[in-house]
Amino acid sequence: QVQLVQSGGEVKKPGASVKVSCKASGYTFTSYGINWVRQAPGQGLEWVGWISGYNGNTNYAQKFQGRVTMTTDTSTRTAYMELRSLRSDDTAMYYCARDLDPYSGSLEYWGQGTLVTVSS
Amino acid sequence: QSALTQPASVSGSPGQSITISCTGISSDVGNLVSWYQQHPGKAPKLMIYEGSARPSGVSNRFSGSKSGNTASLTISGLQAEDEADYYCCSYVRGPYVFGTGTKVTVL
Repeated sequence: QVQLVQSGGEVKKPGASVKVSCKASGYTFTSYGINWVRQAPGQGLEWVGWISGYNGNTNYAQKFQGRVTMTTDTSTRTAYMELRSLRSDDTAMYYCARDLDPYSGSLEYWGQGTLVTVSS
Repeated sequence: QSALTQPASVSGSPGQSITISCTGISSDVGNLVSWYQQHPGKAPKLMIYEGSARPSGVSNRFSGSKSGNTASLTISGLQAEDEADYYCCSYVRGPYVFGTGTKVTVL
């Protein structure tokens, strides 16, 4: 079965960077992309960006361009999201999610989430 | 693109049907609208994709539709376990745009 397992929670100071991992299993990693979605406490869902598991192509939400970098390691079937210049409003649960299929525009499989707390 | 607009809350009694609207969907989206259910402290769960299709394992009490720039999620035969937050989502050549979210309360 498809599983996405994320790294543990992080506490960072303003201005720092954080790198969250998402290890995939149960499917051919290079056949699907991984999306990152965040949710601030008590707030809604916000798409951060996408990375291809095939060739590493990326598509970032305009809001995060210049501050986010997504990468993959196909040898370990792991996707990473690094967010730099952290601010207090970056405090959120960060989820990785895999497409249902490359064309449906929907996210069927989700990781358990990684809580990133930004506080001085 | 700005978040799609959903009602903040919808409620219903067990056995009733409720409908959640989602407005502001771009005409470029076509039928690429999905819906997600989220229980407190849990990751979202895909309930509807491509406007009206259900993933394997999702109850047929959940149905989706779209007309113009508005999509809708209907839950029929409301059950206590349906109490959760629901989000619509549109997809246009890359960016996913989520709705503001609707809290469903089972009275």
